[in-house]
Amino acid sequence: SQTIHQWPATLVQPVGSPLSLECTVEGTSNPNLYWYRQAAGRGLQLLFYSVGIGQISSEVPQNLSASRPQDRQFILSSKKLLLSDSGFYLCAWSSWTVGYTFGSGTRLTVV
Amino acid sequence: KNQVEQSPQSLIILEGKNCTLQCNYTVSPFSNLRWYKQDTGRGPVSLTIMTFSENTKSNGRYTATLDADTKQSSLHITASQLSDSASYICVVSGSNDYKLSFGAGTTVTVRA
Repeated sequence: SQTIHQWPATLVQPVGSPLSLECTVEGTSNPNLYWYRQAAGRGLQLLFYSVGIGQISSEVPQNLSASRPQDRQFILSSKKLLLSDSGFYLCAWSSWTVGYTFGSGTRLTVV
Repeated sequence: KNQVEQSPQSLIILEGKNCTLQCNYTVSPFSNLRWYKQDTGRGPVSLTIMTFSENTKSNGRYTATLDADTKQSSLHITASQLSDSASYICVVSGSNDYKLSFGAGTTVTVRA
């Protein structure tokens, strides 16, 4: 069966520090991978999606970047965090047969 | 702009009672509509997915309906339990499945 792992679950980082959130998928090959951000009281906002290794599409211009170094690994990064980067980040993968499956999320607090 | 509007924003119900959540959307063309349950601090978990031709789909005590003509969907929770306390998110997919449109969610609180 397919599983998705996302870590860490919570993270507190100072302003200006770098960020690296990792997401891996097991049990499938060549999945579509996504990074979302969820603000309180608002719907999920698509940040990046990837249809293959090294293929990244950015939906929202911002202080973040994404990379897909391996087929089932998706990384969300920042060189210098801003206060506005605080939020709940979700990784997800999709297929036509399974639909969308979300990770457990990372609560990022920038202080 | 594709939008998904959910109502109410939040509701409180007593354990054992039923409730219905609403979702209206303007996404076009339409591919499918999903309902997710999201516990606090966790990722959303899929409850149902419906395509254009489906009117009703059930998953245990959860029943979703879809009217593609009026672009409305509802999620009915029967005999609510304390564990039903969560945010319920309506998600609509257009022709491009890479870009989903998310509702802001309805927060359901079930009280004993």
